[in-house]
Order: sequence, then C-alpha cells, then structure tokens
Amino acid sequence: DIQMTQSPSTLSASVGDRVTITCRASQSISRWLAWYQQKPGKAPKLLIYKASSLESGVPSRFSGSGSGTEFTLTISSLQPDDFANYHCQQYNSYPVTFGQGTKVEIK
Amino acid sequence: EVQLVQSGAEVKKPGESLKISCKGSGYSFTSYWIGWVRQMPGKGLEWMGIIYPGDSDTRYSPSFQGQVTISADKSISTAYLQWSSLKASDTAMYYCARPRSLGTGTSPFDPWGQGTLVTVSS
Repeated sequence: DIQMTQSPSTLSASVGDRVTITCRASQSISRWLAWYQQKPGKAPKLLIYKASSLESGVPSRFSGSGSGTEFTLTISSLQPDDFANYHCQQYNSYPVTFGQGTKVEIK
Repeated sequence: EVQLVQSGAEVKKPGESLKISCKGSGYSFTSYWIGWVRQMPGKGLEWMGIIYPGDSDTRYSPSFQGQVTISADKSISTAYLQWSSLKASDTAMYYCARPRSLGTGTSPFDPWGQGTLVTVSS
C-alpha cells in the first residue's frame, strides 16, 4: 500500500493567515492526489484533484501543488469558514489511501 | 442532481450482523464505481473498498478484506456494506462515495453520502 503522511496534524492560525499543509507519499504517485475539507458531522468535500485542479465552486484562495511524492495545499488568506479538517488522498493505485488529516484551528 | 443517500444510524451488539445501504440517483448507476470509507471517532478517513455495479467487480483494501462484504443491486441503484459478525471496534461513521470520473475506481470521490453511524456496544 502507498502510505500518505500529512503534516502538521494540527495547525493554529488566524483569519487572514497564509496556511500550508503538506502531504508526502511513500512512493511516486505522479499527480494523482486529491484534497478534501471536512467539517464536524459532515461528509468530506472535494477541493482539489490531480494535485492542482480546483473543483468547481471552490474559492480561489485554495491551491494545490506538487508531484511525485510531495504535495502541498495552500490557503492564501484563511477565512472563518476554512477552520476544518483537511485530508489528502492518493488515487494512483489500489488500495486508494488517505493521509491522517490536518486540523486547522483558530489561534 | 447527483445524490447518494445512505440508510440510517444503527445500534448493534457484538456478534450481530448488519447491512447498510447507499442509494444513488441522478446519474447512470451502472457506469460509476461506488466506494466505502470508514471514519472512526476522532480519526481520519480509511478507504475500505469499491464496487462497479455494472459487473460487480469489487476491490478491497487489505485492511478490510475478509472483514466486510461490498455488494450492489443495480436494479434499485443501491450499494451495500455488510458485516457478518460485528465487533466493538467497528463503531464508526461509514460513508459511501462516488468517483468523479466515469468508469474508474481510482478517481477522487465526489459526491459523498451523508454517512451512516454504526455503534456496536454490549
């Protein structure tokens, strides 16, 4: 299985901050990486696919980059609605795997 | 509108069996895979497996192979996740989700069902 490691596990930030979350794969996954946002009690929501493609309707303050084994999700200016959990997912091969998640909390 | 609607919350005892469901609507049910994802309390997402209702081709994560059964009934556009003997450690939220791309199981999930909470306690 491909292991996905996210860092940090928790991130404390303020409204307006630039925030970066990293996801590392245990082997190359090309650009087959997605990012999801999840709020308490809700299903995950797809934000980015193919490492950097923004899903329709997702604000442009979200961006993704990377290829191979290292990827980042950046929120350019954190908004109150962005305090949530974020998960990366590799879909290069079966079994599909997720990172352990990053909680973005209010500083 | 593409929608996945899951069955309601369940409370079961250890050793009991359970089958939860996920009904798809608004798209060709037999043309897209449907996957299942576990989220234990306070934890991350775990990909359990996926099925192609068109021909019932199924793939499991090694972590869940033999522990659960994934099936689908294309006549009623519904996928299932089944346990034959529940354990307390099966207590979790279970989501079904559809890959965004036609005909492939290795594609990001969008949309997702609302989740089914399974509680196993004596």
